[in-house]
Amino acid sequence: QSVLTQPPSASGTPGQRVTISCSGGSSNIGSNTVNWYQQLPGTAPKLLIYSNNQRPSGVPDRFSGSKSGTSASLAISGLQSEDEADYYCAAWDDSLNGVVFGGGTKLTVL
Amino acid sequence: EVQLVESGGGLVQPGGSLRLSCAASGFTFSDYWMHWVRQAPGKGLVWVSRINSDGSSTRYADSVKGRFTISRDNAKNTLYLQMNSLRAEDTAVYYCARGRGLGYCSSTSCFDPWGQGTLVSVSS
Repeated sequence: QSVLTQPPSASGTPGQRVTISCSGGSSNIGSNTVNWYQQLPGTAPKLLIYSNNQRPSGVPDRFSGSKSGTSASLAISGLQSEDEADYYCAAWDDSLNGVVFGGGTKLTVL
Repeated sequence: EVQLVESGGGLVQPGGSLRLSCAASGFTFSDYWMHWVRQAPGKGLVWVSRINSDGSSTRYADSVKGRFTISRDNAKNTLYLQMNSLRAEDTAVYYCARGRGLGYCSSTSCFDPWGQGTLVSVSS
C-alpha cells in the first residue's frame, strides 16, 4: 500500500485529455512539492514534472501538473500513442523522513 | 551528456551481501545529492536511500535501515550501495538517480536523470 494514492489505470483515445490524480496527506503533498515521472515500457523512469507544475526542457507542453492542498494532478492533453506508459507521483514525507511514491498509473492509449 | 551507469547486480542467496556501484559522468558529481530507488518485478517505484553532496548526511527507507549503506566517492564520481542481510523481498531493479543540486531539481523527491538500473535477485 503506497503512501500516495493513484488510480491503477487510466485510458484515452488519441487527441483526448486525460488526468491522473495523486492523493496524499499533510506530511507529504500538503507540505512539500510534488514531482511526476514517466516510465515507458522496459525503460528507466524519466522526470516529467518538477516543483508541482514545472516542465524540464524537452518535455512537451502537452504535459502539465497542478497541486491543491494534499492532492496533485498530472494532465496530458492531445494524447498520443507514445504517451502509453506508467506514471508516478512523488513527494518528501516529513513524518517518514523519506521520499514516498504513488503506486503508479498505467496509461493506455486506445 | 549526463549519464549514470549502475553495476554490481546479480543473483545472491538470502542473507548474503552485494555492493552496487553507479558511475556518474557529464556533470560535477560533488555538487549533487544522489539516491537509490528500486522497483520489484511488475511493481512500482520505492525510494531506498539518499546521500548529500559531500557524503556527510544519509537517509534510508525503514525497510532497509540497518542493512543497507549508501556512500559516495567524489574523487571517483561514483555512488555505492552496500547491501547486507539480503532478503527475497529485496529482489528488484535498483536505479541510481541524481537529486537536488545545481539547476531545477530543488526538492528531495526530484530525481533527474536516472540510470538504466541493475537487477538484484535474492533467491536460494
